[in-house]
Amino acid sequence: GAVVSQHPSRVICKSGTSVKIECRSLDFQATTMFWYRQFPKQSLMLMATSNEGSKATYEQGVEKDKFLINHASLTLSTLTVTSAHPEDSSFYICSARGQAMLLPQYFGPGTRLTVL
Amino acid sequence: AQKVTQAQTEISVVEKEDVTLDCVYETRDTTYYLFWYKQPPSGELVFLIRRNSFDEQNEISGRYSWNFQKSTSSFNFTITASQVVDSAVYFCALSDPNSGGSNYKLTFGKGTLLTVNP
Repeated sequence: GAVVSQHPSRVICKSGTSVKIECRSLDFQATTMFWYRQFPKQSLMLMATSNEGSKATYEQGVEKDKFLINHASLTLSTLTVTSAHPEDSSFYICSARGQAMLLPQYFGPGTRLTVL
Repeated sequence: AQKVTQAQTEISVVEKEDVTLDCVYETRDTTYYLFWYKQPPSGELVFLIRRNSFDEQNEISGRYSWNFQKSTSSFNFTITASQVVDSAVYFCALSDPNSGGSNYKLTFGKGTLLTVNP
């Protein structure tokens, strides 16, 4: 199956700093990548959708200036949490999908962000 | 609006028991896709199956089987002879043209935590 990697897997930072999370599709070209947030024992909440070379589309209630998404190539998307605060602590998961929009999304292993 | 309901929050079984995870969905579209994903304690979601709305044939893959019933808008997942390694959270998800237009976003259910005890 398709492989998606995420880096880092875990990050601890101080309040006010910015954190960048990378999502890579390793063996396929990802036309579309998705970023999710998951709180403990809860479902995945879609934050934004990004298509390669285009601006990301954010879900209602997600601050685009707070969560910067860049999808500069067909294998890499990044999520930057700017000026992180403790309430941004969460499990962030990316997924990637190939060129046919009806293909499944394949998920990365997630990044556990803890903001002190 | 699209919606996925997984009524079972937690299920606990003993190894070798069969277990069925329920999934009921709502959508206005006639063309849609249903998925099941597994999230083990490590956190990474694993794709299990995709089903399109025009294919109501049930599917079996090893100890896993899926029952798709459009008449009841259900897409249930059965694990036969469960094993401890099956312990995970299982998510049912729906993708249709109305959920984000051309992006076919996924709408997830809240998940069912399955615990298989030795």
